[in-house]
Amino acid sequence: GAVVSQHPSRVICKSGTSVKIECRSLDFQATTMFWYRQFPKQSLMLMATSNEGSKATYEQGVEKDKFLINHASLTLSTLTVTSAHPEDSSFYICSANPWEGLETQYFGPGTRLLVL
Amino acid sequence: TQLLEQSPQFLSIQEGENLTVYCNSSSVFSSLQWYRQEPGEGPVLLVTVVTGGEVKKLKRLTFQFGDARKDSSLHITAAQPGDTGLYLCAGLTGTYKYIFGTGTRLKVLA
Repeated sequence: GAVVSQHPSRVICKSGTSVKIECRSLDFQATTMFWYRQFPKQSLMLMATSNEGSKATYEQGVEKDKFLINHASLTLSTLTVTSAHPEDSSFYICSANPWEGLETQYFGPGTRLLVL
Repeated sequence: TQLLEQSPQFLSIQEGENLTVYCNSSSVFSSLQWYRQEPGEGPVLLVTVVTGGEVKKLKRLTFQFGDARKDSSLHITAAQPGDTGLYLCAGLTGTYKYIFGTGTRLKVLA
């Protein structure tokens, strides 16, 4: 089956620092990757859509200068949380769409970010 | 803004009972997916429904897509403690993005 990995799985950082989260499709090429944020006991909220070779599309209310997305290749997208603050603490999850199906998305295991 | 409301929000039942979770919207979706998520993990896909009125069965789980493709339901028969988790519906929009429902947290007691 299609596998998507995320690294790191957990990260703790100090307020004001930047954190990079990687999302990789391990056995397929992903035309599109999505980044979600999930607060405790809540559902997933789409942050942005990442397309290889082009700028990410951000959802309303998501600051693109704070959440930098780079889709460097067909198997890798990165999310950088810049100047992190405690309110950025959350569970960040990516998903990836393979070439053959825009309706199919495979989720990564998530990254737990804690900003102190 | 497209919204998917799930009900109930929380459900705690005894092992062996049946339950239904609803996912409702005023928007039409191309397809709809149901996921189950365990704490600290990514969501795991259970099913995708595409056609209005479609019914899919996965062992003790029955999924239905509304005729107008605006709503869906998940029915679990004879629930087991292993069914415990967060159930999420997600609708595919016209711009090929998935919008997630508000979630239903299920706890099945042994």
